[in-house]
Amino acid sequence: QKEVEQDPGPLSVPEGAIVSLNCTYSNSAFQYFMWYRQYSRKGPELLMYTYSSGNKEDGRFTAQVDKSSKYISLFIRDSQPSDSATYLCAMSAAGTYKYIFGTGTRLKVLA
Amino acid sequence: SAVISQKPSRDICQRGTSLTIQCQVDSQVTMMFWYRQQPGQSLTLIATANQGSEATYESGFVIDKFPISRPNLTFSTLTVSNMSPEDSSIYLCSVWANTEAFFGQGTRLTVV
Repeated sequence: QKEVEQDPGPLSVPEGAIVSLNCTYSNSAFQYFMWYRQYSRKGPELLMYTYSSGNKEDGRFTAQVDKSSKYISLFIRDSQPSDSATYLCAMSAAGTYKYIFGTGTRLKVLA
Repeated sequence: SAVISQKPSRDICQRGTSLTIQCQVDSQVTMMFWYRQQPGQSLTLIATANQGSEATYESGFVIDKFPISRPNLTFSTLTVSNMSPEDSSIYLCSVWANTEAFFGQGTRLTVV
C-alpha cells in the first residue's frame, strides 16, 4: 500500500463547476498537508498549506483535512479553464523536510 | 519566496552516457533537494544536498548513479550516470524557504 493515494484522473468538468480533489494516506504521523498545482512543463507551485486537521480557505480554493479518516480534500469553486493542471497532494511529518507526494490528479476545465 | 533556475530544461541522451543538471537559486538556502517525477508516478525524493557535506540519498538511490555536488549555498548539480531508458523522467530541484518548498521547472530527460 502506498503511503499516499490519489486518483490520477483525468477529471473533466465544465467551467463554473465545483471541483473536488482528494487524497488518502496511511501514516498517522503526517501533520502537514499541502496541495500543489503543476502546469504542463512547469514545476509544482504551492496552492494550499494546512497544519493538522480543519479547513483553510483562500479565494476559490478550500483545503480540508480529516485526520481521523486520513483523508484530505481540495475544493475549487467556480472553476476556470486556467485551473486546468495536475494537482498534487503532499504530506510530511513534524520535524522532517521530507514530503510524500500523491501521483497527482489531472484536471481539465472545459470552456 | 525563492526563484529556481534549472538547466537544461530538456535533453535527449544516448544510453550509457551521463547528464549533469544544474540548479541555481536566487537566495542562499541550507538544504536543496532533488526529485524524480516519472510518468504516472508521484514525485520521489532522490537526495538532499547540504552545502559542505555529502548528499543524503533516499532508499533506492545511490551516489554512483546520481552524484550530487553542492559547492555553495545557491547552486547544486545532479548527474544521472550511465543512463538507461528507465532513467527517462523529469528531474526537479527544490528548496525550502519560509517553511515552503519551491520547485524548479524541471529537466525532462529522454534516454534512447
